[in-house]
Amino acid sequence: AQSVTQLGSHVSVSEGALVLLRCNYSSSVPPYLFWYVQYPNQGLQLLLKYTTGATLVKGINGFEAEFKKSETSFHLTKPSAHMSDAAEYFCAVNQDSGGGADGLTFGKGTHLIIQP
Amino acid sequence: DAGITQSPRYKITETGRQVTLMCHQTWSHSYMFWYRQDLGHGLRLIYYSAAADITDKGEVPDGYVVSRSKTENFPLTLESATRSQTSVYFCASSEQGGYNSPLHFGNGTRLTVT
Repeated sequence: AQSVTQLGSHVSVSEGALVLLRCNYSSSVPPYLFWYVQYPNQGLQLLLKYTTGATLVKGINGFEAEFKKSETSFHLTKPSAHMSDAAEYFCAVNQDSGGGADGLTFGKGTHLIIQP
Repeated sequence: DAGITQSPRYKITETGRQVTLMCHQTWSHSYMFWYRQDLGHGLRLIYYSAAADITDKGEVPDGYVVSRSKTENFPLTLESATRSQTSVYFCASSEQGGYNSPLHFGNGTRLTVT
């Protein structure tokens, strides 16, 4: 079964500083990887996804992630944090190696705190 | 407005009672999913459906029942609620399922079982 591990349940950065949220995946086949964001009392929204092709993926709100097969990683970055980025972030991988309708397997989440 | 709606937003019930969480989407997406979110566990898939009258178990299906008689509705029933089912429940839909299209989530139902 495919899985993802998010390193750090809480990450705190200062406003304007680099944001780095870590995600490592475990997959026996090339995975499809996603980052979702959850704001308080809301559902999850898609930030970006990697399926095939370019390994650097750009998402919404200035976020991007790089797929590194050699490191089995898919870390999320943003050059300059904004107060509005405070939220819970989830890395996810497709459950079915065939890309079927099994849904996604999510990591446990990283709570991003932005300090003024 | 188009979207995915969950009801109720908050629910308190007693152990042993049956409770149904509703999910309705207006996009006519084929795929629908139920997840539960718990501290320290992230989101875990309970059940999913690829189309009307087609459902399948996810990672944590025990104690839950689903049905999908219409494409737009995907209710989740706890037949005899237990305290371990206290959680936030999210419904999601997807046009193509899997990795082909993103999941669209509702705002969740916070369920407390006393």
